[in-house]
Amino acid sequence: GAVVSQHPSRVICKSGTSVKIECRSLDFQATTMFWYRQFPKQSLMLMATSNEGSKATYEQGVEKDKFLINHASLTLSTLTVTSAHPEDSSFYICSASLSGGQETQYFGPGTRLLVL
Amino acid sequence: QKEVEQDPGPLSVPEGAIVSLNCTYSNSAFQYFMWYRQYSRKGPELLMYTYSSGNKEDGRFTAQVDKSSKYISLFIRDSQPSDSATYLCAIEGGGNKLTFGTGTQLKVEL
Repeated sequence: GAVVSQHPSRVICKSGTSVKIECRSLDFQATTMFWYRQFPKQSLMLMATSNEGSKATYEQGVEKDKFLINHASLTLSTLTVTSAHPEDSSFYICSASLSGGQETQYFGPGTRLLVL
Repeated sequence: QKEVEQDPGPLSVPEGAIVSLNCTYSNSAFQYFMWYRQYSRKGPELLMYTYSSGNKEDGRFTAQVDKSSKYISLFIRDSQPSDSATYLCAIEGGGNKLTFGTGTQLKVEL
């Protein structure tokens, strides 16, 4: 299947700093990329949907100014957590879609963020 | 009421057992149904997807959808210790969005 990578796999940062997470589709061009957050023993919650070259669509309750998403190319999307706080500590997972359909959504390995 | 309900488990079975994992959903407009497997600290891996009522088989895995009851199932035959993971059902809820269940933690013991 298609491969999606994320970098970094784990990051620890101080409260108030910003953290950038990269999501790359390695062997295919992704029309759409999705960003999810997963708290321990909970399900994946969709944060936002991004299409290459356009602004991301955020889910209700997700602060667009806090979670900046850039989808500058068909193989790269970035999520920047600005002014991170301990409550932002979570597992962030991206997925990439070939055609925008759910049946072709491939997930990255996730990034574990710990804000001290 | 959550859009997708899934028993979180944990579910523990002996090696070789048949495993049954289930989800219920509330929105009859849902069209696509998926099962993902997630190992600890990893991203989800797509196992099965289907879009109609009935059964779909792939090796030891069978996905079953009953749209009239809003009920989906994943069966694992001849379960192996390597099947130990969290299994997430996911349903396409319109607008190209996936809604996930909470996941069922499965442990297959030797």
